[in-house]
Amino acid sequence: EADIYQTPRYLVIGTGKKITLECSQTMGHDKMYWYQQDPGMELHLIHYSYGVNSTEKGDLSSESTVSRIRTEHFPLTLESARPSHTSQYLCASSEARSSYNEQFFGPGTRLTVL
Amino acid sequence: KNQVEQSPQSLIILEGKNCTLQCNYTVSPFSNLRWYKQDTGRGPVSLTIMTFSENTKSNGRYTATLDADTKQSSLHITASQLSDSASYICVVSDRGSTLGRLYFGRGTQLTVWP
Repeated sequence: EADIYQTPRYLVIGTGKKITLECSQTMGHDKMYWYQQDPGMELHLIHYSYGVNSTEKGDLSSESTVSRIRTEHFPLTLESARPSHTSQYLCASSEARSSYNEQFFGPGTRLTVL
Repeated sequence: KNQVEQSPQSLIILEGKNCTLQCNYTVSPFSNLRWYKQDTGRGPVSLTIMTFSENTKSNGRYTATLDADTKQSSLHITASQLSDSASYICVVSDRGSTLGRLYFGRGTQLTVWP
């Protein structure tokens, strides 16, 4: 089982609140990713990082921001949550030198914005 | 456009029966294809991974096939168990980018009834 953790697992908040979703991995992986997944739909990449101080936007436009100050930590922040942000957020990581780019996923955070 | 299509969208089978899930892709240049199992409310977990030169790979009761010429893959589940109830996601990786981008299908939702 992959050593990648996400907290909280479930979050219900009101519109306008600032939230941070935590993601940590203990595998020493350089690459980390955030995906957004709605029920019955494919995962969409919203942010990724090649390593410390590296962050890039993914394919799906997102109002969230990320930071990578430490290798093992890749938090995602929403400054002002809206109902349209309701979704499942999955964090993943992979080795930089992996020829397969095998990504290991965390358990996800289910976010509901009322 | 790089895409991954899966069928059927959902499937119900009785415990002990076999089933086969399909995946068609248009991702190019192709690097590898993997099948993930995603339990409800959890992150995806890798079942198998296949490169261009591999056409069959097994992992216990799961057997994946790959036809790189027709760009098709299948996942066969033998002697299904109740714990097999999950979403099965086909994921294709390209080798045309430093990121090693992953393309996700929408998954097949499998339900195993007793």
